[in-house]
Amino acid sequence: EVQLVESGGGLVQPGGSLRLSCAASGFSFSSYAMNWVRQAPGKGLEWVSVITSTGGSTYYGNSVKGRFTISRDNSKNMVYLQMNSVRADDTAVYYCAKTAGQWLEHHDYWGQGTLVTVSS
Amino acid sequence: DIVMTQSPDSLAVSLGERATINCKSSQSVFSVSNRKNYLAWYQQKPGQPPKVIIRWASTRESGVPDRFSGSGSGTDFTLTINSLQAEDVAVYYCLQYYSTYNFGQGTKLEIK
Repeated sequence: EVQLVESGGGLVQPGGSLRLSCAASGFSFSSYAMNWVRQAPGKGLEWVSVITSTGGSTYYGNSVKGRFTISRDNSKNMVYLQMNSVRADDTAVYYCAKTAGQWLEHHDYWGQGTLVTVSS
Repeated sequence: DIVMTQSPDSLAVSLGERATINCKSSQSVFSVSNRKNYLAWYQQKPGQPPKVIIRWASTRESGVPDRFSGSGSGTDFTLTINSLQAEDVAVYYCLQYYSTYNFGQGTKLEIK
């Protein structure tokens, strides 16, 4: 059974940093691209970032480019999101989502999400 | 970026009737090389993560009831829910994965 479990969310001050983690199990982790998708309270879904199966390529949404960094450790079945220079509009539930293939396929499995609140 | 626009923003349909949600992309998401539309539909219920119901514009995911169907090609797509059931109340999103990813703004489906 595929499982994605996010952690690391919490309260952070504007301008601060936070690192989210996603522990994956139940599939061959190193064969799939992985994503972060967020959802602000009461709002829609916003894709944040994707990392290819090997970690060789990463892509970001315009709103987080230059501030967030996605990475993965295939030896630990983990994917991470380093969030720097956070702003109030980064407040959201952050979901870890598995891509159905190595690249440019839909997200087939999602975690339950971790809440990040940016506030002073 | 490819902009995805859904219509309507909200929809109220009677039980047993048909619900239709539209999604328009700002550029084609059809690949000539493999003849596939890079478009998926998601259902999200309160307090839950999204669940994929349709991929490649018209392929229903395993376990999804056959009252759900997807259609369209290029830039215009439709999610149809026939014979609406109470458990179909949710927010529905389209997603393009032709060029990284972009979601539509969502359509809230309620019972009339």
